[in-house]
Amino acid sequence: SQQGEEDPQALSIQEGENATMNCSYKTSINNLQWYRQNSGRGLVHLILIRSNEREKHSGRLRVTLDTSKKSSSLLITASRAADTASYFCVYNTNAGKSTFGDGTTLTVKP
Amino acid sequence: NAGVTQTPKFQVLKTGQSMTLQCAQDMNHNSMYWYRQDPGMGLRLIYYSASEGTTDKGEVPNGYNVSRLNKREFSLRLESAAPSQTSVYFCASIQAGGVYEQYFGPGTRLTVT
Repeated sequence: SQQGEEDPQALSIQEGENATMNCSYKTSINNLQWYRQNSGRGLVHLILIRSNEREKHSGRLRVTLDTSKKSSSLLITASRAADTASYFCVYNTNAGKSTFGDGTTLTVKP
Repeated sequence: NAGVTQTPKFQVLKTGQSMTLQCAQDMNHNSMYWYRQDPGMGLRLIYYSASEGTTDKGEVPNGYNVSRLNKREFSLRLESAAPSQTSVYFCASIQAGGVYEQYFGPGTRLTVT
């Protein structure tokens, strides 16, 4: 499969804990993005990191990118029950092609 | 701005029937995409159009055709629907030119019996 791989497939934590998801990909990229999806609904863009960046923050989100290992991680700090959702990485090539990871299903227990 | 719109929202087809899924964006974006999402899985790219006048295959193009009608519209056609094409279909667009956030439509839930 050309799809990116994400791990873990499922993650269950308590409210207030941190959640870390990882994404690996197989090709050279222009940028990598993380999206959130609630219960099969539309996707919401969370954060984008370019290939020349190593780390980016947005509120409680921290994304890292290691192009030598072709991997990225998304950290959600101080998780809330409302963070329960599926999270997907998407990587984009210079040619404009987008590839989704398989996703991590996060459950945050109150 | 309406963003990315898709029609229809729901559709039931019988095996062998054909249909076209419509997608339009009003953000003057250059690139447009069609994905399918099967239960419990991520989105898989069917076709994309990096710019008006061009289309390219994605990961799972078999059984589909696309048309980039103009800069706003990108349609997906199923010529002879099969049960394996039961899925939720999402259209997305990107501005390009250094801005890469994808804007997604609400999805079309297609069932082929």
